[in-house]
Amino acid sequence: ETGVTQSPTHLIKTRGQQVTLRCSSQSGHNTVSWYQQALGQGPQFIFQYYREEENGRGNFPPRFSGLQFPNYSSELNVNALELDDSALYLCASSLGWVSVYNEQFFGPGTRLTVL
Amino acid sequence: DQQVKQNSPSLSVQEGRISILNCDYTNSMFDYFLWYKKYPAEGPTFLISISSIKDKNEDGRFTVFLNKSAKHLSLHIVPSQPGDSAVYFCAASYTGANSKLTFGKGITLSVRP
Repeated sequence: ETGVTQSPTHLIKTRGQQVTLRCSSQSGHNTVSWYQQALGQGPQFIFQYYREEENGRGNFPPRFSGLQFPNYSSELNVNALELDDSALYLCASSLGWVSVYNEQFFGPGTRLTVL
Repeated sequence: DQQVKQNSPSLSVQEGRISILNCDYTNSMFDYFLWYKKYPAEGPTFLISISSIKDKNEDGRFTVFLNKSAKHLSLHIVPSQPGDSAVYFCAASYTGANSKLTFGKGITLSVRP
C-alpha cells in the first residue's frame, strides 16, 4: 500500500504566473483535501474533493481551484500568483469525509516560492 | 479569527520527563480533536484523537485530555524521548458533510538527552 505522494517537491515561480501541484492519494481513498501552510503557521484548509466533486472550501479566493480524477489523484491550481502564496502545500487523503473514524493521511508537501 | 490556539511556540523537556502540550479552541461546534506530529520535510502524521464524548484517550506514551467546559485540551507524553522532538499540531473538526480540519499554529517540542 503506497502512501500519499506529491509533486513536485519544490517549485519557484514569479508573481502573476500559474502553477499546478499534483497529489496521488493513498490507495482506496476517495477523498482528498488540500492545505496551505505558511511559515510559522498551521495548515489552513483550502478545499476538499469527494468522488471528483468539491465538497467544502476554506477562505481562499477563486484563483485557487482543484480537480480530482477518477483514480482519485488530484491537482491544485493557483492562478495569478502573489507573493503571499509562498507556502508549503499539503495534500491529505482519507476514505470518506473527515471524521473521528476516518484518518487523514498527509503527503510530504510541495514547497512553493513566489518571487 | 483563530479557532484553535496553541499559545506556546516551543517547549523543551528532559528525556524521561513528561511533556505537556496545550491547546485551546473557541468553536463550540467542534466535536473531535486530533494531534499531529510533523518532522521537517515530511507531512503531518496522525498521533492521537479524542471525541467530545470522552475526556481522556490514551495510546501508549501519549494521552490526550479534553476539558469541554474550558474548551481546552492537552497532550501528555510520558516518558519523553529524543525521537519525540518535532512540531506538534492540535486540530479540531465537527462531524458531518463538508467537515474540515482546523489547525493550530503548532508547538516545537525539543527533548534533551
